[in-house]
Amino acid sequence: EPEVTQTPSHQVTQMGQEVILRCVPISNHLYFYWYRQILGQKVEFLVSFYNNEISEKSEIFDDQFSVERPDGSNFTLKIRSTKLEDSAMYFCASSVLSPLGGGELFFGEGSRLTVL
Amino acid sequence: GENVEQHPSTLSVQEGDSAVIKCTYSDSASNYFPWYKQELGKRPQLIIDIRSNVGEKKDQRIAVTLNKTAKHFSLHITETQPEDSAVYFCAVRTGTASKLTFGTGTRLQVTL
Repeated sequence: EPEVTQTPSHQVTQMGQEVILRCVPISNHLYFYWYRQILGQKVEFLVSFYNNEISEKSEIFDDQFSVERPDGSNFTLKIRSTKLEDSAMYFCASSVLSPLGGGELFFGEGSRLTVL
Repeated sequence: GENVEQHPSTLSVQEGDSAVIKCTYSDSASNYFPWYKQELGKRPQLIIDIRSNVGEKKDQRIAVTLNKTAKHFSLHITETQPEDSAVYFCAVRTGTASKLTFGTGTRLQVTL
């Protein structure tokens, strides 16, 4: 069964450093998302991406965050200058259909980011 | 924005009993209501979903009911088994938005 894959599974970084989290969505999916989950809390939406541009973003997704689809398979989340409060599990997700078309989200296993 | 509340935060049931988790939402334009199961350290996995034009949906031991008037929807798990133990999240999609707004989660513990 096809899966969304994410790397790294765990990254430890110093405050102020740049971090790039990588995702390979399911190959025929067209809609891509990043969510995050602070330990013990709910899953929070960060950004959605379609047709090589951001379609929606949350208040969390400020100027320190950016997303990119550098080639036909990868979807990346960059945090320019990490803060302690960025420590969380970051989930990539993808869907084949648009949200209005009933696109079920498939989540990756997550990348745990620890900012020291 | 949409506000989703989920209750209870923890639920302990004996194997074989039923479990019910309820979520309420605030925006009447919400139209898609999935439920996710998350085992410790794992990804959220969709277990069932319902759209606003349907009142109830069932898949084996799992069912979801939707009351649009009252703006709440519930997850029902019958004949619970130890492997049902996990955190369950409800979520809501509103209008033409692409994002899901998640509830705060319910930790379900099924005891022998």
